[in-house]
Amino acid sequence: DIVMTQTPLSSPVTLGQPASISCRSSQSLVHSDGNTYLSWLQQRPGQPPRLLIYKISNRFSGVPDRFSGSGAGTDFTLKISRVEAEDVGVYYCMQATQFPLTFGGGTKVEIK
Amino acid sequence: QVQLVESGGGVVQPGGSLRLSCAASGFTFSSYGMHWVRQAPGKGLEWVAFIRYDGSNKYYADSVKGRFTISRDNSKNTLYLQMNSLRAEDTAVYYCANTGYSGPRGMDVWGKGTTVTVSS
Repeated sequence: DIVMTQTPLSSPVTLGQPASISCRSSQSLVHSDGNTYLSWLQQRPGQPPRLLIYKISNRFSGVPDRFSGSGAGTDFTLKISRVEAEDVGVYYCMQATQFPLTFGGGTKVEIK
Repeated sequence: QVQLVESGGGVVQPGGSLRLSCAASGFTFSSYGMHWVRQAPGKGLEWVAFIRYDGSNKYYADSVKGRFTISRDNSKNTLYLQMNSLRAEDTAVYYCANTGYSGPRGMDVWGKGTTVTVSS
């Protein structure tokens, strides 16, 4: 199984300041079809998860452009350019390159 | 817009059974694969099962293989999860999610979830 490791576990951020979350996979997420199926999900308190970014860097419908994804192979990053109050929650990376699909342990973004 | 609504959760004794449903609307259900994902209280996300758009292939997490069965009825736009031999560690919120832009095995839209509690 592919292990997804996220850092940090917690990220206290000042409103309006940037935040960055890292995700590392135990093996390459490049699929034989050439795509890299790495997604980022946001889970606000008391809410279901919501897709933010898919295939490393593509923002899903309705996701603000302050969210961006980057990376390749086994190392990936989610960046929030200017954190807003509504961004508080837990962020997960997820690989959908091969079964079983696996998630990172989550990074909690909170306001300082 | 895409909407997924889970139902069927509840309290069940260890060893018991439960069937979850996920009613889909707002997209062509029969064209997309579907997932079940769960989240134990205070824990992270765990993928449970996947079914292809036509039901031809199914995949399961090792933790549920042989006990859970994923299925779908494309005429009713509904996804199911039959859960047998339930254990305390199956206690979780169960979400369904559809594939789409995120790829053939991705998770675009999630339902609000249904809660399963396994307890005597």
